[in-house]
Amino acid sequence: QQQVKQSPQSLIVQKGGISIINCAYENTAFDYFPWYQQFPGKGPALLIAIRPDVSEKKEGRFTISFNKSAKQFSLHIMDSQPGDSATYFCAASNRSSGSARQLTFGSGTQLTVLP
Amino acid sequence: EPEVTQTPSHQVTQMGQEVILRCVPISNHLYFYWYRQILGQKVEFLVSFYNNEISEKSEIFDDQFSVERPDGSNFTLKIRSTKLEDSAMYFCASSAPGLAGGPTRTDTQYFGPGTRLTVL
Repeated sequence: QQQVKQSPQSLIVQKGGISIINCAYENTAFDYFPWYQQFPGKGPALLIAIRPDVSEKKEGRFTISFNKSAKQFSLHIMDSQPGDSATYFCAASNRSSGSARQLTFGSGTQLTVLP
Repeated sequence: EPEVTQTPSHQVTQMGQEVILRCVPISNHLYFYWYRQILGQKVEFLVSFYNNEISEKSEIFDDQFSVERPDGSNFTLKIRSTKLEDSAMYFCASSAPGLAGGPTRTDTQYFGPGTRLTVL
């Protein structure tokens, strides 16, 4: 029940196209849904995050769409650029003791944006 | 911009040896985490640490693992007797205390660049 399922495993998009990555979760106690971007040899870096009280959040070219009833959320990257080529992880968490949050990660999507 | 740092970047050890992975979290943060990522797989939670004690730990974090905040800046992960399957990238993360009525700052975890542990 703690799993977060992510798809696709890999994605190839032309420059200027839209990249869409999907995640689904089971645990209804999850109340925080971040997306992380990871470049080779680097740690994950927070890209954008959403809480379940809103259905969409947009920051620049990045948008999270959230469907609470379906227990799904997705990342949309508009006008994809070669510099966006990285591995993207969705994650979810719920508050535990002391306000520390255990992040449960999806399996990752390797995005390649062709020039 | 403040960042989480980790040392060493790469640690090679023999099976059965003890290793200590070191992290310096962002200075005003109060919540600390260790995650690991086996090559090609997803990032997995190991342990969270708050107020000088373990807040939560996963089933991966067995008796071979321990964490410590030996001083005001470092946060360490010790693996007492390494196994081949401990080979992975280990990430430290930290998050800030939340404001009263606004937990947003606590939600964001900042990750370090990782330590690649290779057990031979």
